Amino acid sequence: DVQLVESGGGLVEPGGSIRLSCAGTGFIFNNAWMNWVRQAPGKGLEWVGRIKGRTDGETADYAAPVKGRFTISRDDSKNTLFLQMNSLKTEDSAVYYCATPNGDPIYHAFDLWGQGTVVTVFS
Amino acid sequence: SYEVTQPLSVSVALGQTAKITCGGSNIGSKYVHWYQQKPGQAPVLLIYRDNNRPSGIPERFSASNSGTTATLTITRAEAGDEADYFCQVWDSSIGVVFGGGTKLTVL
Repeated sequence: DVQLVESGGGLVEPGGSIRLSCAGTGFIFNNAWMNWVRQAPGKGLEWVGRIKGRTDGETADYAAPVKGRFTISRDDSKNTLFLQMNSLKTEDSAVYYCATPNGDPIYHAFDLWGQGTVVTVFS
Repeated sequence: SYEVTQPLSVSVALGQTAKITCGGSNIGSKYVHWYQQKPGQAPVLLIYRDNNRPSGIPERFSASNSGTTATLTITRAEAGDEADYFCQVWDSSIGVVFGGGTKLTVL
């Protein structure tokens, strides 16, 4: 089956760190442009960032609210995407989804999503 | 920065046609994608690149994009269409941009 499975969510204090993982199966992971999208409770979707695939240099881009605090990386040998979240704020509390375009990645249409993992930042 | 605007809510009678808009500056020059999200579930891609349906998406869902408005149209609305709907674009300066979402109620 083609799927994405996130893990690593939990409770963390403000200023703390947490690392999320997203395991991909059923597709050619190393060429996939992998994204993180989050959704705060009762709110809309917010793009966190993206890492390109191996053939496109595996460069990462980030949304302004997380730039400098979050880092996206990947281990293609394990078909796994990571999101390292540092200097966490209460407003980072959300369900974090990994998502990827199955078609041409430049259009950023996400037709494959994980089930999400919850991060709660509280003091 | 680039923003896209959606109405907070839209209501439609069972069996009738619903239209959900997504407004943005010259949005017609960008590709717009649409997602459906039901409570407790991950989003599902409904429409990609303005007016294309992924396999498995019913023909009742269609969309258009021109000028400053993209529109998702749902014909013959069903109770199961009650969900949140999000439009999304790619902006070369800031990345992926989602609309705030529209809650569709089927009466």
